[in-house]
Amino acid sequence: KQEVTQIPAALSVPEGENLVLNCSFTDSAIYNLQWFRQDPGKGLTSLLLIQSSQREQTSGRLNASLDKSSGRSTLYIAASQPGDSATYLCAASPPRSGAGSYQLTFGKGTKLSVIP
Amino acid sequence: KAGVTQTPRYLIKTRGQQVTLSCSPISGHRSVSWYQQTPGQGLQFLFEYFSETQRNKGNFPGRFSGRQFSNSRSEMNVSTLELGDSALYLCASSRTSNEQFFGPGTRLTVL
Repeated sequence: KQEVTQIPAALSVPEGENLVLNCSFTDSAIYNLQWFRQDPGKGLTSLLLIQSSQREQTSGRLNASLDKSSGRSTLYIAASQPGDSATYLCAASPPRSGAGSYQLTFGKGTKLSVIP
Repeated sequence: KAGVTQTPRYLIKTRGQQVTLSCSPISGHRSVSWYQQTPGQGLQFLFEYFSETQRNKGNFPGRFSGRQFSNSRSEMNVSTLELGDSALYLCASSRTSNEQFFGPGTRLTVL
């Protein structure tokens, strides 16, 4: 059974700092890994999707990497801004065959606070 | 292009009642998944539908059920509500069951 862990649970940084959020998963047989952002009481906003065959994806100030062999993914945020304050979740998707296909397994998230 | 919509956004029910939540996926998306989010358990998968067929089901009791219509809209039903069913219920749609796009959620409070 896939387990996804995100450490730390909370992170506070001053504005302008570069930061890295960590995500680890126990089963390397994943189809893809997706990073989301969630604002308080709101739904999830998809940030980046990394296919299992890819090593990284970039969008603006965000860069996500994937290392299947070590069961790790990182989300790098450059030049952080107060508007980046939110909870960041990673989710692993299993292979497209067999039981459990199509369901995402989520970490508990990292709550990020960027202080002005 | 309109995103995933969920109705209602907020709901208050009492124990023993039943509730139906609705999800309209992004146009052209045929896969709809449902998740329950609570502070203690985080996000947990409920079920996934594709072309009106349930393809996968999470580890929830039979009180939780769902269906999908021919226009890909989906409904989720919870019968005999318990206090522990209080949660944010999120719906996600996907065109190819790859990247998932989530709606704003329905906040259910059971009193």
